[in-house]
Amino acid sequence: NAGVTQTPKFRVLKTGQSMTLLCAQDMNHEYMYWYRQDPGMGLRLIHYSVGEGTTAKGEVPDGYNVSRLKKQNFLLGLESAAPSQTSVYFCASSSGQAPSYEQYFGPGTRLTVT
Amino acid sequence: SQQGEEDPQALSIQEGENATMNCSYKTSINNLQWYRQNSGRGLVHLILIRSNEREKHSGRLRVTLDTSKKSSSLLITASRAADTASYFCATVPASYNQGGKLIFGQGTELSVKP
Repeated sequence: NAGVTQTPKFRVLKTGQSMTLLCAQDMNHEYMYWYRQDPGMGLRLIHYSVGEGTTAKGEVPDGYNVSRLKKQNFLLGLESAAPSQTSVYFCASSSGQAPSYEQYFGPGTRLTVT
Repeated sequence: SQQGEEDPQALSIQEGENATMNCSYKTSINNLQWYRQNSGRGLVHLILIRSNEREKHSGRLRVTLDTSKKSSSLLITASRAADTASYFCATVPASYNQGGKLIFGQGTELSVKP
């Protein structure tokens, strides 16, 4: 099993450009999450999904959109990138079965917006 | 806002010594989890303790939970250079009824010197 994979690993954008980050999982997990990690801030939840076709906002959703058209994929979009979105982005998935909620993380995407 | 605060922010010890990291949180929880992050990698789940448990062991890891003080500690015994990483606590607040969302602390950076 590959677990959770993320594409791309690195990306540099100019302010105003758009891009999509792809997350894929092969564990048949219902729940998927997008986080951003900034120095000294830990991980903050951007958006999440509790099943195919569903999405919900997390702690810091502004400037991002997501889609979950297939159970195994969760896409994170930046419509108009800003320097404040420079960060490392992590995708995670979970079976969502209480009371565990253990999450499995991808390797991350390092995004720089100039 | 961050649920958890971790202490210390950084810890440097010699191989063979024990490492203790502490986590405090603000609201009632369903469970508390600890994750490890090696430099440049995604997070890896280490151990989970439920709100009705007080102590849990897994190999060289020992986790305690004091719900009255809203705090947890992670003890790594007989540390090795390979334990060098950042360690994060994460909570599932009791108020969350769907999604298994985790609230992460800011992390403790552990350095184990050979």
